[in-house]
Amino acid sequence: DSGVTQTPKHLITATGQRVTLRCSPRSGDLSVYWYQQSLDQGLQFLIQYYNGEERAKGNILERFSAQQFPDLHSELNLSSLELGDSALYFCASSVGTGGTNTGELFFGEGSRLTVL
Amino acid sequence: GQNIDQPTEMTATEGAIVQINCTYQTSGFNGLFWYQQHAGEAPTFLSYNVLDGLEEKGRFSSFLSRSKGYSYLLLKELQMKDSASYLCAVGLNDYKLSFGAGTTVTVRA
Repeated sequence: DSGVTQTPKHLITATGQRVTLRCSPRSGDLSVYWYQQSLDQGLQFLIQYYNGEERAKGNILERFSAQQFPDLHSELNLSSLELGDSALYFCASSVGTGGTNTGELFFGEGSRLTVL
Repeated sequence: GQNIDQPTEMTATEGAIVQINCTYQTSGFNGLFWYQQHAGEAPTFLSYNVLDGLEEKGRFSSFLSRSKGYSYLLLKELQMKDSASYLCAVGLNDYKLSFGAGTTVTVRA
């Protein structure tokens, strides 16, 4: 158990809909990262937050948005869903902007989104 | 952009040794990471190299050559439970990790 909690674990929805994925980082971790993993692709970095503020942005679509709240939990909002958005969405956390001295990320179990 | 290459698949027999190579060309370098990911599960941290050379951790070792943009993960005395995807990742200057597509290792009896 990494200490990172993601909900829901599974989600099935229709095209055009909107969903919210939630992540609670490890206790004491200030950074939260969101990654997308499709069947045919590796982990794609979406966005990072540090202590409530956006820190880095990757290949995140305009239809997607995220935020980190004062209690450090984070939400990833996916709207106008398309079939291609079906994927595993992972949240990871680390202590600071660079994590521990090793920069290690701790991953949650992921939220599997299926868009029909 | 970031370019991280590793083989798609490798197969080996139980008790054998497998070496997974990773080459990278990235804008920035803050260490080379290896993660293990079993199907449908979260990636878990295996190793970290920031200086050139070999880091050994039990049955797993990781090597880095920064001048060559090259790393490998060596798995010794393979066990069935080692069947998984192994992800090479480069730490970038803004402390995010850029991942390769992963190498699926299948261990056969």
